[in-house]
Amino acid sequence: GDSVTQTEGPVTVSESESLIINCTYSATSIAYPNLFWYVRYPGEGLQLLLKVITAGQKGSSRGFEATYNKETTSFHLQKASVQESDSAVYYCALGDNSGTYQRFGTGTKLQVVP
Amino acid sequence: EAAVTQSPRNKVAVTGGKVTLSCNQTNNHNNMYWYRQDTGHGLRLIHYSYGAGSTEKGDIPDGYKASRPSQENFSLILELATPSQTSVYFCASGETVQDTQYFGPGTRLLVL
Repeated sequence: GDSVTQTEGPVTVSESESLIINCTYSATSIAYPNLFWYVRYPGEGLQLLLKVITAGQKGSSRGFEATYNKETTSFHLQKASVQESDSAVYYCALGDNSGTYQRFGTGTKLQVVP
Repeated sequence: EAAVTQSPRNKVAVTGGKVTLSCNQTNNHNNMYWYRQDTGHGLRLIHYSYGAGSTEKGDIPDGYKASRPSQENFSLILELATPSQTSVYFCASGETVQDTQYFGPGTRLLVL
């Protein structure tokens, strides 16, 4: 079945430093699933950070970027300069129309320290 | 205004008691989901629904029931709560599997 693997946390990064959270996926029934990054800030529910539906395309939001790479089946999340307000849990997810529900990674807790 | 709401936000229950978690969405989405989130396990799907009257088992349905009486409402029922069900529970809605899911704020459940 479909699966998503992402960087295990927690990840601690100093403010203004760069960040990369790795995500790789396996979609057994469709070549090009939709790929998502969700974020959960403390005390809140998950919300969409960015979504890419076309292989080779890049999504961006709030300074974060992720590129859909079908060759390496990856969708890594990057940010050039993190802020304390980016401290949250980040989830990579996959959705394909032959599946019954989206598959989520285990989440990566990010702590940004001053 | 929030499109997916959950109640209660916090709940303390006793072992063997019955717990009902409620979820309401105003997105008019067909699909609704119940997840639990635990450290080290990430987000795990318990039950989901394709529409009013339908419930389906997710990855970890044991010990849980679900009810979808209407398009807007989806409940998760713990008939005999156990301490292992202490967790944070999230409800979500989405139009299809490929579309963005919209999550509620979560319910923190403690079973003593």
